[in-house]
Amino acid sequence: EPEVTQTPSHQVTQMGQEVILRCVPISNHLYFYWYRQILGQKVEFLVSFYNNEISEKSEIFDDQFSVERPDGSNFTLKIRSTKLEDSAMYFCASSEGGLAGGQETQYFGPGTRLLVL
Amino acid sequence: KQEVTQIPAALSVPEGENLVLNCSFTDSAIYNLQWFRQDPGKGLTSLLLIQSSQREQTSGRLNASLDKSSGRSTLYIAASQPGDSATYLCAVLYSNYQLIWGAGTKLIIKP
Repeated sequence: EPEVTQTPSHQVTQMGQEVILRCVPISNHLYFYWYRQILGQKVEFLVSFYNNEISEKSEIFDDQFSVERPDGSNFTLKIRSTKLEDSAMYFCASSEGGLAGGQETQYFGPGTRLLVL
Repeated sequence: KQEVTQIPAALSVPEGENLVLNCSFTDSAIYNLQWFRQDPGKGLTSLLLIQSSQREQTSGRLNASLDKSSGRSTLYIAASQPGDSATYLCAVLYSNYQLIWGAGTKLIIKP
């Protein structure tokens, strides 16, 4: 069964460094998403992406964050200058269609656990 | 503010029991409500999706209901098994296309 994959599974970085989290969505999916879950807290929406553009973003997704689809398969989340509070599990998801119809299921990757020291 | 609340936060029951998990949301202008399962250190698996026009969905031993007017959903698990042990998350898709999540119910099924 097709699945969303994410690399790396774990990443440790120093505060102020840039990190790139990578995701390979399901191949025929057109919509892509990033979420994060700080340890012990709720999952939070970061951004949605379609047709090489950001569709929606939350208040969390400020100028230190960016997303890119550099080729036909990868979808990346870049955090420019990491802060301690960026430590979290980051989930990538994809869906075949957009969410507006209310019937699309998002498929999630296993996550990347980011630790900022 | 759009919020999703889940109770209880944790639940431990003997194997074989039927159980109900609850989810409430503050804004009834939703596109859908979804129930997910999260295993420790793992990703999120979609269990059931109920569109705003629907009242329930069933998959195997799972049944989810939706009452938009009262801002509530329940996930019913029949004949629970140890393999059902996980955290169950409720997430609501609002009209701004952002998925808002509850904090989850951690379920332990004792053999």
